[in-house]
Amino acid sequence: NAGVTQTPKFQVLKTGQSMTLQCAQDMNHNSMYWYRQDPGMGLRLIYYSASEGTTDKGEVPNGYNVSRLNKREFSLRLESAAPSQTSVYFCASGTGFEQYFGPGTRLTVT
Amino acid sequence: EDQVTQSPEALRLQEGESSSLNCSYTVSGLRGLFWYRQDPGKGPEFLFTLYSAGEEKEKERLKATLTKKESFLHITAPKPEDSATYLCAVLLNSGGYQKVTFGTGTKLQVIP
Repeated sequence: NAGVTQTPKFQVLKTGQSMTLQCAQDMNHNSMYWYRQDPGMGLRLIYYSASEGTTDKGEVPNGYNVSRLNKREFSLRLESAAPSQTSVYFCASGTGFEQYFGPGTRLTVT
Repeated sequence: EDQVTQSPEALRLQEGESSSLNCSYTVSGLRGLFWYRQDPGKGPEFLFTLYSAGEEKEKERLKATLTKKESFLHITAPKPEDSATYLCAVLLNSGGYQKVTFGTGTKLQVIP
């Protein structure tokens, strides 16, 4: 039982490049989430998916897109990376009342 | 505006020295308050959910309590392995969807 897994762990992009962050969970949760964590800002919700086939914007969705591929997988795409998107990205799954986080992806955009 | 404020930002304790961390909130439509522990370079680890004022939950040396305006995480006789950043978060009903707002955390260091 791996819980929530994320790939890659680290990534460096140049401004304007695109990439997809992958997330998978094996806990059979309906809900999945993407957060970013910046120093002094706390975790902020980017997008979430309450169930397979649905996605909704969170607090900071601009510059991102998501895909809920199936119940297990929820990906986050940066179409044209900007330095302001340098952050640590966490995927989580859960029931809404309890969320279980992955180990994070540390992304640097130069 | 919904706000979650944690204090202090950092706390240094001697091993065995009990203390409390505070999470105060000004929100409407609270559905629950969570506490998480985060170790450096790792994702947050779920500790507790509290649903209503007066509720308490315990896990080993940690005890979480909730009032209508704030939550406390009490740490009794802490050990060095309790060193971590402790995050609180609130779950709200906002515009028809569930909104989670996190505080910025309290970084706890327990010295042997």
